[in-house]
Amino acid sequence: GAVVSQHPSWVICKSGTSVKIECRSLDFQATTMFWYRQFPKQSLMLMATSNEGSKATYEQGVEKDKFLINHASLTLSTLTVTSAHPEDSSFYICSARHRGRDTGELFFGEGSRLTVL
Amino acid sequence: AQSVTQLGSHVSVSEGALVLLRCNYSSSVPPYLFWYVQYPNQGLQLLLKYTTGATLVKGINGFEAEFKKSETSFHLTKPSAHMSDAAEYFCAVRTPGGYNKLIFGAGTRLAVHP
Repeated sequence: GAVVSQHPSWVICKSGTSVKIECRSLDFQATTMFWYRQFPKQSLMLMATSNEGSKATYEQGVEKDKFLINHASLTLSTLTVTSAHPEDSSFYICSARHRGRDTGELFFGEGSRLTVL
Repeated sequence: AQSVTQLGSHVSVSEGALVLLRCNYSSSVPPYLFWYVQYPNQGLQLLLKYTTGATLVKGINGFEAEFKKSETSFHLTKPSAHMSDAAEYFCAVRTPGGYNKLIFGAGTRLAVHP
């Protein structure tokens, strides 16, 4: 149990376009989801925390108008990279907190690799 | 603020040798600590965690870690490395209260050679 799925796994887009990445908790409800960004051979950097039904909380230095996060239900959060540029190319990973199971751990999706041409 | 330091960005061991990946943390309150493993182009998989209770925790794939409060450490070990253990390993600490925000260390890439 506690499976998190991301879609798409890979996406290539042209500069200036917008890309949406979905994060779904398949077999549990997630009150909180987290979006991370990972550059090659580096650690995960937290971008934002999203709670179902409320606005996301962004980490310092993350542009909220560029990285739109929506958490419309207890099983789905989306990250939209607006007007993408090559420097936005990265590996984006979501994670979810299991509602009702406060063991501290987060459950991670498989990641989505974005390449902006 | 909490932070995690992983000593050694790259560790190389022979197959069958002991694996030791170091992690030190800073926290003003008792933390929850985690080790995750990441294979290329994949998400993170939990190896083990410490929340409360026994300080020596056992995880999957033969890994274990010991929480040492006096040393603020949570080093990951495995008695005998396998080729399949080659991956990136991340130590993480949970922030107190709030929404389970995890702070990650920089990661350690483990290479296992024959």
